[in-house]
Amino acid sequence: SAVISQKPSRDICQRGTSLTIQCQVDSQVTMMFWYRQQPGQSLTLIATANQGSEATYESGFVIDKFPISRPNLTFSTLTVSNMSPEDSSIYLCSVEGTGLILNTEAFFGQGTRLTVV
Amino acid sequence: KNQVEQSPQSLIILEGKNCTLQCNYTVSPFSNLRWYKQDTGRGPVSLTIMTFSENTKSNGRYTATLDADTKQSSLHITASQLSDSASYICVVSEYRGSTLGRLYFGRGTQLTVWP
Repeated sequence: SAVISQKPSRDICQRGTSLTIQCQVDSQVTMMFWYRQQPGQSLTLIATANQGSEATYESGFVIDKFPISRPNLTFSTLTVSNMSPEDSSIYLCSVEGTGLILNTEAFFGQGTRLTVV
Repeated sequence: KNQVEQSPQSLIILEGKNCTLQCNYTVSPFSNLRWYKQDTGRGPVSLTIMTFSENTKSNGRYTATLDADTKQSSLHITASQLSDSASYICVVSEYRGSTLGRLYFGRGTQLTVWP
């Protein structure tokens, strides 16, 4: 299994500011994923982060708004930029598989509950 | 369109009782179906994973079933406990050969267990 440490666990931010969320995995993984979970909604994939290359963003999400870093195989950050109240949500990082081999298990961080005021 | 639908949206049961949660999906091609438990303020935690050839899998008091022909799954919780209060999310993985398949998430069933 993979243990994921995500921080901060929650934050209240002023609109117009930016927040960077960190995700640390206890083993090397090929891909890391960032999700958004709005109240009463299913998880929505924001982007896939591979080490050494630019993240791949899903439709409706852009790099200027959600820049992602993936400096090595155990760490990634997601920044929510120029925040507005509509960005209030839970943000989750996830990995699929352990090590560098893909398998069918997905592990999630504890999530970051963001409130923008 | 690939979708995952869960029912009911919410459920309240008394401690000690059993319950069954439903998941219908249209994801194709299919790779596997997973049930996750998400406690409030926490990330989802895997309960079961089933591939096409598996029609039932248990994890303690949790038993998942899969009918790949009708594209339906259920999660049965036996002898519920207060700690079972959580959101239960059905997730279906799309098959993409040697690459990682896309995950499709249901909205979850919010289960509340009362003493």
